[in-house]
Amino acid sequence: DQQVKQNSPSLSVQEGRISILNCDYTNSMFDYFLWYKKYPAEGPTFLISISSIKDKNEDGRFTVFLNKSAKHLSLHIVPSQPGDSAVYFCAAREGNTPLVFGKGTRLSVIA
Amino acid sequence: NAGVTQTPKFRILKIGQSMTLQCTQDMNHNYMYWYRQDPGMGLKLIYYSVGAGITDKGEVPNGYNVSRSTTEDFPLRLELAAPSQTSVYFCASNKGGGSLWEQFFGPGTRLTVL
Repeated sequence: DQQVKQNSPSLSVQEGRISILNCDYTNSMFDYFLWYKKYPAEGPTFLISISSIKDKNEDGRFTVFLNKSAKHLSLHIVPSQPGDSAVYFCAAREGNTPLVFGKGTRLSVIA
Repeated sequence: NAGVTQTPKFRILKIGQSMTLQCTQDMNHNYMYWYRQDPGMGLKLIYYSVGAGITDKGEVPNGYNVSRSTTEDFPLRLELAAPSQTSVYFCASNKGGGSLWEQFFGPGTRLTVL
């Protein structure tokens, strides 16, 4: 039973436009959410996070939105750049338990 | 800081062979983790450790063993390798506590069992 779901395996976006990656979760006890980025043949790298007490967190071109009532979070990348092409993983945790990861969404930014 | 290092980068095993995947971190992190990633899938937790001498099973522990004798090292042991263990293995660590839950990942070990 997947607690963290990324229902879009892939997404293509034109360079300069907005990329929106979505993530749904089922566990209402999750209190911290993270996005990771992964290039081929490398380990995932941390991108941005948000606590359940907030509904938005921004870091440069990256913004994460959290809608707790819908159990949904999204990552916005504006403007998208070719170097953003990677697999993006959504992750969540409850208390000090290990992170639970989604299956990932492959983003392709087309020049 | 080297961060999280993993060795080897690649390995091919025959069915029934054993091996140890090495993981070391130099950030004095309390928490360490082993994940596997199968094609098209997310990261599945194999084992984790909250400190030296303490280990716990994750979602997919069968066929694996771990130990944590020091803060820095968290080796993953495969006994009697099976084709189902063909995967990419990632080690990760984090400090833990407060907002220090960001996990740092190693570059991965690509294992093929034939």
